[in-house]
Amino acid sequence: RKEVEQDPGPFNVPEGATVAFNCTYSNSASQSFFWYRQDCRKEPKLLMSVYSSGNEDGRFTAQLNRASQYISLLIRDSKLSDSATYLCVVNKGSSYKLIFGSGTRLLVRP
Amino acid sequence: DGGITQSPKYLFRKEGQNVTLSCEQNLNHDAMYWYRQDPGQGLRLIYYSQIVNDFQKGDIAEGYSVSREKKESFPLTVTSAQKNPTAFYLCASSTISTNEKLFFGSGTQLSVL
Repeated sequence: RKEVEQDPGPFNVPEGATVAFNCTYSNSASQSFFWYRQDCRKEPKLLMSVYSSGNEDGRFTAQLNRASQYISLLIRDSKLSDSATYLCVVNKGSSYKLIFGSGTRLLVRP
Repeated sequence: DGGITQSPKYLFRKEGQNVTLSCEQNLNHDAMYWYRQDPGQGLRLIYYSQIVNDFQKGDIAEGYSVSREKKESFPLTVTSAQKNPTAFYLCASSTISTNEKLFFGSGTQLSVL
């Protein structure tokens, strides 16, 4: 089993749609969780950290479910500019080493 | 402006040749990292360093070497022992904390001639 697993997609949605991605992780000792966004052939950029209580940043909402060991990202009112690959990132157990998922690709169409 | 700079953007390697990828940061970060990304896959850690003159192997260190002689610089050498070097290489830096944010360079695409 991979340490961090994501559905590769692509998720193909119309502008204005709401879309959600899940990511599962295998190590119950993990403490740090992030969503990064990566455009084609570019470097990943931090989208948001994920906190236990859940957090929201504009159209983006991230949630953590420790019992089921998954994190989620919800994007409301999708824009064309949201088209990218979204990487789930989790620290390795109790260490600071970060493990990247293989990413979920989102395509927002007009 | 503070940031992390990788060069070159594109690099070609001949069989049996060693090549070095440059990574420089002026963010005053203690930790620096090298990742490899293959198409459709996540980032895999090659090497990391938390302090000058010290570094540790990541998950796929074979065929690579690094040095950390200065806080600002963490060059990666892809040696001839790396038989499948074609990939997108990303350098990153961060502060040392339990909830660290990674700052990435713009990446180097390495291809074999």
